[in-house]
Amino acid sequence: QVKLQESGPGLVKSSGTLSLTCGVSGDSVSSTNWWSWVRQSPGKGLEWLGEISHGGSTNYNPSLESRVAMSVDVSKNQFSLNLNSVTAADTAVYFCARLTLSCSITSCYFFIDSWGRGTQVTVSS
Amino acid sequence: QSGLTQPPSVSAAPGQKVTISCSGSSSNIGDNYVAWYQQLPGTAPKLLIYHNDRRPSGIPDRFSGSKSGTSATLAITGLQTGDEADYFCGTWDGTLSNRVFGGGTQVTVL
Repeated sequence: QVKLQESGPGLVKSSGTLSLTCGVSGDSVSSTNWWSWVRQSPGKGLEWLGEISHGGSTNYNPSLESRVAMSVDVSKNQFSLNLNSVTAADTAVYFCARLTLSCSITSCYFFIDSWGRGTQVTVSS
Repeated sequence: QSGLTQPPSVSAAPGQKVTISCSGSSSNIGDNYVAWYQQLPGTAPKLLIYHNDRRPSGIPDRFSGSKSGTSATLAITGLQTGDEADYFCGTWDGTLSNRVFGGGTQVTVL
């Protein structure tokens, strides 16, 4: 059973960079699965930030694409999120997640099947 | 950003049935598979349903999912106090090139 654990500063200064890491156990970031970041705030609900494959291919939320970057560290079996130029609007609980592949007769697609417990990040002025 | 629409809350007595709706559009639910998640307070969300109506191993058959057009539904039968949680839906939106989620529905067992 895969376990995902977010880690990183709980407080980030406005205009700074938010950096989080997700440690993975019970699976390898080198597998065929993809790895994702999602955040949750009272005002905006759940917001997908993006996802990354073991090979470094990425899909980012178009609304955040200019500020977000994700990476994978195979040696440490973890993946990371960097979000720059943060404002109070980036205050949220940040979740890391695993995407796994499901196939029907006609197509295949990835969906989130496992989540971390989330970590609160507050942007201060 | 655009998301999926869920009722804020539903409630029922123990043993009864609740249904939670998830409304979207042709670019998300209408054209993609839906997943449902359960989130207990302070815990990681848990996958209940994927591919509209498939249950992962270990999920009891009291939980079922369906999809029709641009809406999806999660049904919980034989409601238990342990089912009190937030439930949210999610899928891919091909127009936005985004994964989108519902706002979540809080289930209360009366």
